Amino acid sequence: QTVVTQEPSFSVSPGGTVTLTCGLRSGSVSTSHYPSWLQQTPGQAPRTLIYNTNTRSSGVPDRFSGSILGNKATLTITGAQADDASDYYCVLYMGSGIWVFGGGTKLTVL
Amino acid sequence: EVQLVQSGAEVKKPGESLRISCKGSGYSFTSQWITWVRQMPGRGLEWMGRIDPSDSFTNYNPSFQGHVTVSVDKSISTAYLQWSSLKASDTAIYYCARQGDYYDFDYWGQGTLVTVSS
Repeated sequence: QTVVTQEPSFSVSPGGTVTLTCGLRSGSVSTSHYPSWLQQTPGQAPRTLIYNTNTRSSGVPDRFSGSILGNKATLTITGAQADDASDYYCVLYMGSGIWVFGGGTKLTVL
Repeated sequence: EVQLVQSGAEVKKPGESLRISCKGSGYSFTSQWITWVRQMPGRGLEWMGRIDPSDSFTNYNPSFQGHVTVSVDKSISTAYLQWSSLKASDTAIYYCARQGDYYDFDYWGQGTLVTVSS
């Protein structure tokens, strides 16, 4: 069974920079997994921030960026704001019409 | 404007059947796959399966295959997620999402809360 790993929680100061990671318990994440990053605030549906590794969805501020670093996909928030406090999920395409979500990272901004 | 509008909250008993819906509008419904995602209370997102509205071809997460069925009625631009026998552990919010061009999920429904309790 494929397991996608994310940090359970992270904290960043307002104005600071934070990098969240998305890995595979077995193997490396590559662009062939088409990593996406989703943001979810309590009581709301998820919304996709980044897709295809590093493409921002329409309307997403440029303080959000995605990349592959080493063997993981990353989401970097530069100049974090209070309303960036959310749950962040990565999702990977595993081929054969199958996707797997990571467990999510709860980001605190304080 | 692309929209996915899901059916309302449901309260069911264990063993009952249920079908929830996801109606697409603002785009050609048959041109993009629809995915279903589960979120159990206080937990993360789980990919359940997807359907191609043009021909009803499906893919399922093995963890859900056999317990849920994904279907579509393209004449009314609506996808469905159904159970024949609910369990208490099916209590969750279920989201539909449209698959984008880069193996992403570009539009999401608002979610349907399903509560299964005796």
